[in-house]
Amino acid sequence: AQTVTQSQPEMSVQEAETVTLSCTYDTSESDYYLFWYKQPPSRQMILVIRQEAYKQQNATENRFSVNFQKAAKSFSLKISDSQLGDAAMYFCAYRSNRGNNNDMRFGAGTRLTVKP
Amino acid sequence: EAGVAQSPRYKIIEKRQSVAFWCNPISGHATLYWYQQILGQGPKLLIQFQNNGVVDDSQLPKDRFSAERLKGVDSTLKIQPAKLEDSAVYLCASSKDRGLETQYFGPGTRLLVL
Repeated sequence: AQTVTQSQPEMSVQEAETVTLSCTYDTSESDYYLFWYKQPPSRQMILVIRQEAYKQQNATENRFSVNFQKAAKSFSLKISDSQLGDAAMYFCAYRSNRGNNNDMRFGAGTRLTVKP
Repeated sequence: EAGVAQSPRYKIIEKRQSVAFWCNPISGHATLYWYQQILGQGPKLLIQFQNNGVVDDSQLPKDRFSAERLKGVDSTLKIQPAKLEDSAVYLCASSKDRGLETQYFGPGTRLLVL
């Protein structure tokens, strides 16, 4: 079974600085998708960025980028120029592209604090 | 475009009571998901619907949990009878279809079982 591990329960960053959140996953499949979701205190999960495993190029969305290392099964999220509004729980998630099952496996999350 | 709606936002019940949660997905979204998020953990999929049919309910505790999506739009999730370990946030999400489509989440219902 696929598992997702986020080894950093909490992270802290100074406003305007850069922070990297770690994620590793375990799978025997070759075709899958990886996601980072943000969950602010209001609890609504918001998609931050996603990466298709077949793509070698790392995904980027404005200040958010990933470092996808397929062989190492690593998928870290880099937040540049951190803002106070980036403070939230961040969840890494894995989803297989095999069959019609959309079962998304989430990590335990990393709580990011942004210091002014 | 309106997001995924859920109600109630909070619910407190005593163990052995029953409770129901409601979800209204984004208009036109064929796929609907219910997740359970226990404090300190990531969400865990309970059940997935494609229109009004169940695609995956392998992690749904069927002895006490049930869910339906009769007309392929709104969905309800019921717990009967509730246990202390059911205390969690119940998240509903929807997507246009299965496969690559992004899942959009609702605000969740926080359940406390005393």
